[in-house]
Amino acid sequence: DAGVTQSPTHLIKTRGQQVTLRCSPKSGHDTVSWYQQALGQGPQFIFQYYEEEERQRGNFPDRFSGHQFPNYSSELNVNALLLGDSALYLCASSVSTGELFFGEGSRLTVL
Amino acid sequence: RKEVEQDPGPFNVPEGATVAFNCTYSNSASQSFFWYRQDCRKEPKLLMSVYSSGNEDGRFTAQLNRASQYISLLIRDSKLSDSATYLCVVTNAGKSTFGDGTTLTVKP
Repeated sequence: DAGVTQSPTHLIKTRGQQVTLRCSPKSGHDTVSWYQQALGQGPQFIFQYYEEEERQRGNFPDRFSGHQFPNYSSELNVNALLLGDSALYLCASSVSTGELFFGEGSRLTVL
Repeated sequence: RKEVEQDPGPFNVPEGATVAFNCTYSNSASQSFFWYRQDCRKEPKLLMSVYSSGNEDGRFTAQLNRASQYISLLIRDSKLSDSATYLCVVTNAGKSTFGDGTTLTVKP
């Protein structure tokens, strides 16, 4: 049984570019949450998707958007990248509001 | 003020020591509480849930005080493999909020 998978694992972008990160949830999970983790900090909640709709959103600007597909997989899009967007982006899946299972993350560097 | 606050540490303890981590949260409507463990450059993983009645899993004991909005984690007989960052997590209406973590290093 595959766990949560994320791609790409590492990527480098320049300021102003756009990035798309992808997540496949654990089998049987219907809810996907995205987190941003800067060095030395805990994961910060970006948003959560359930039944292809954004159910909750954290304090992130509209540059951060997402999508959930009918197979429950999800994408995180970030437009107009800033240096401060450099971080580890974690995807977590769950059954509704149960235990969070995390992927290994996508490490984004913005130059 | 952050929604979930933890002592960042680091805690440096010898093997066999007992160590306690504390966490406070600001939203009194919070419904569920957890401790996650995160190894260096890895993803967080659930360590244990936290209940008002307290719960124990081997060497680990977690406690919740709703009146004080305070959560604790006690690790007894520390092992080298316990070295990690411990994240306090509070959930409300499906949204999980993480603290910044407390780093533990267990030394021989």
